[in-house]
Amino acid sequence: GNSVTQMEGPVTLSEEAFLTINCTYTATGYPSLFWYVQYPGEGLQLLLKATKADDKGSNKGFEATYRKETTSFHLEKGSVQVSDSAVYFCALSRSSSASKIIFGSGTRLSIRP
Amino acid sequence: DAGVTQSPTHLIKTRGQQVTLRCSPKSGHDTVSWYQQALGQGPQFIFQYYEEEERQRGNFPDRFSGHQFPNYSSELNVNALLLGDSALYLCASSLLGQANEQYFGPGTRLTVT
Repeated sequence: GNSVTQMEGPVTLSEEAFLTINCTYTATGYPSLFWYVQYPGEGLQLLLKATKADDKGSNKGFEATYRKETTSFHLEKGSVQVSDSAVYFCALSRSSSASKIIFGSGTRLSIRP
Repeated sequence: DAGVTQSPTHLIKTRGQQVTLRCSPKSGHDTVSWYQQALGQGPQFIFQYYEEEERQRGNFPDRFSGHQFPNYSSELNVNALLLGDSALYLCASSLLGQANEQYFGPGTRLTVT
């Protein structure tokens, strides 16, 4: 079935460090891929998305590229800030018309000043 | 423009009791999905409502039921509560067939004792 696997946390980095959070997926066809962020005490916010192979989603300095050959959608940021501390979820939907989103288990990111 | 709202914010119930959670979708959205997020896990799809009918259902028992009203708001009902039902319950709204554009509410934290 469809599933998402992402690197386990917690991940702790110093401010201005480079961030990579790995995500791989299993799905038939051509799913849409997402990164969601959950700040402490809040709901989920869509961070970025990509709907077809080789698409790059980007937002707030974060980027992820849809790699069909490696079934991956790794999240990257060149210079993290303390305010980026949150839990990050990789997710997919089977298509843009699908009902549900399938989430990974989340990666907690903590940034030290 | 109000986003997705949920009530109550927190709830404590005893095993065997019943609970009702409420969700108002983002203005202009007609589809409501419910997710359960256990502590330290990613959200799991419970079901989706459109035109007052359950359109798709995840792997949850019949103790979980829902309803959608003509104004598109929705309720999630859980009967015969178990300790394992303790979780953050998230509501997401969208237009039908646009899983790529699901907006999440802040959630209701349910604790079953």
